[in-house]
Amino acid sequence: QSVLTQPPSVSGAPGQRVTISCTGSSSNIGAGYDVHWYQQLPGTAPKLLIYGNSNRPSGVPDRFSGSKSGTSASLAITGLQAEDEADYYCQSYDSSLSFWVFGGGTKLTVL
Amino acid sequence: QVQLQESGPGLVKPSQTLSLTCSVSGGSISSGGYYWSWIRQHPGKGLEWIGYIYYRGTTYYKPSLKSRLTISVDTSKNQFSLKLSSVTAADTAVYYCAREITGSNNWFDLWGQGSLVTVSS
Repeated sequence: QSVLTQPPSVSGAPGQRVTISCTGSSSNIGAGYDVHWYQQLPGTAPKLLIYGNSNRPSGVPDRFSGSKSGTSASLAITGLQAEDEADYYCQSYDSSLSFWVFGGGTKLTVL
Repeated sequence: QVQLQESGPGLVKPSQTLSLTCSVSGGSISSGGYYWSWIRQHPGKGLEWIGYIYYRGTTYYKPSLKSRLTISVDTSKNQFSLKLSSVTAADTAVYYCAREITGSNNWFDLWGQGSLVTVSS
């Protein structure tokens, strides 16, 4: 049971927009800690996708965007492409646990 | 650019010690502003932060692993290492080393390719 809750799977057709939610609590996202997102392509290491809730590292397409509100955060992917098929993880800090926590991951399927 | 690479045995017997090293290339591990972390992923599961070390030797471990975990750094070799003692099958996972941006809201901006460690007799 992850501290941050993500839907196990989402799907969308090429060109569509999908969102992945990350729900936390008052000891992590709701306490004001930033949310970061990672993309893990099949058989590879995770890659930083979004940091500080909504910032994209250099090289990440602007099709990827992040937002945060209250105790939740969301990752949006527009103009879905086959290469976006991957697992996506959110990450934050939990003040009750006193360490960094990840969501359980969401598998994105491009139909 | 900075790259991280894990190395170590892929098979460890139960009750023994799991040892992995992360070699950092393209940059100095002694650069301020970063923690050097270990994260693991059990087969088919999500990510679990294990612990970090600062180049000066300061460490911080996940409380549930603290009694079995040691992370060390060798700045002369630009490497940091993980030792996890008394392993069981539950420690079977892909272990990633990662660079952690420090501050009030840390994140992991660079990752190694991962090293699968299986605990089995």
